[in-house]
Amino acid sequence: ETGVTQSPTHLIKTRGQQVTLRCSSQSGHNTVSWYQQALGQGPQFIFQYYREEENGRGNFPPRFSGLQFPNYSSELNVNALELDDSALYLCASSLDSTNTEAFFGQGTRLTVV
Amino acid sequence: AQSVSQHNHHVILSEAASLELGCNYSYGGTVNLFWYVQYPGQHLQLLLKYFSGDPLVKGIKGFEAEFIKSKFSFNLRKPSVQWSDTAEYFCAVILTGGGNKLTFGTGTQLKVEL
Repeated sequence: ETGVTQSPTHLIKTRGQQVTLRCSSQSGHNTVSWYQQALGQGPQFIFQYYREEENGRGNFPPRFSGLQFPNYSSELNVNALELDDSALYLCASSLDSTNTEAFFGQGTRLTVV
Repeated sequence: AQSVSQHNHHVILSEAASLELGCNYSYGGTVNLFWYVQYPGQHLQLLLKYFSGDPLVKGIKGFEAEFIKSKFSFNLRKPSVQWSDTAEYFCAVILTGGGNKLTFGTGTQLKVEL
């Protein structure tokens, strides 16, 4: 176990809806990164939060947004869901923003219908 | 943009066979290199990493990888695989000083048969 927990584990949403995914980072870690893993692909970087501020973003539209809280847990919000948003969403926490060792949660499987 | 290529998408081996999984990256600058493994039903976990120094790095469970700068490669090896090595393996790169995102390859699904 990594100590990184994500909730929920599975979720089904309808196109156009909004979704919030949650991540609790490992104790002592101040950085959380989010990744999208489509079927048959490697994880793709969405963004990183370091000490409650966004600290880097991948090629995802603004309808993907996030938050990090004072306890370093984090949320990923996706608005106006599209069918292509169906994927496994992974959260990874690390000691600092250099991400030299990231610990991953088990992910949230999102299905958009 | 940096990219990572894993050429073997599916590999099937018998127990005790040797393993080599290829990984190439596209960026010419200084990189940190990683191999992650995902066992069935489990989270992604770090197998090994290379930052600097000896280009041959050893990781957990008998895995090793060699960084060859001239070939932009970081291939994963194991001399003798076990059934329990059945998993998906991902190569990943971080650009040193250029950000903080892990860029992953598409993964290699390894099946080890008894």
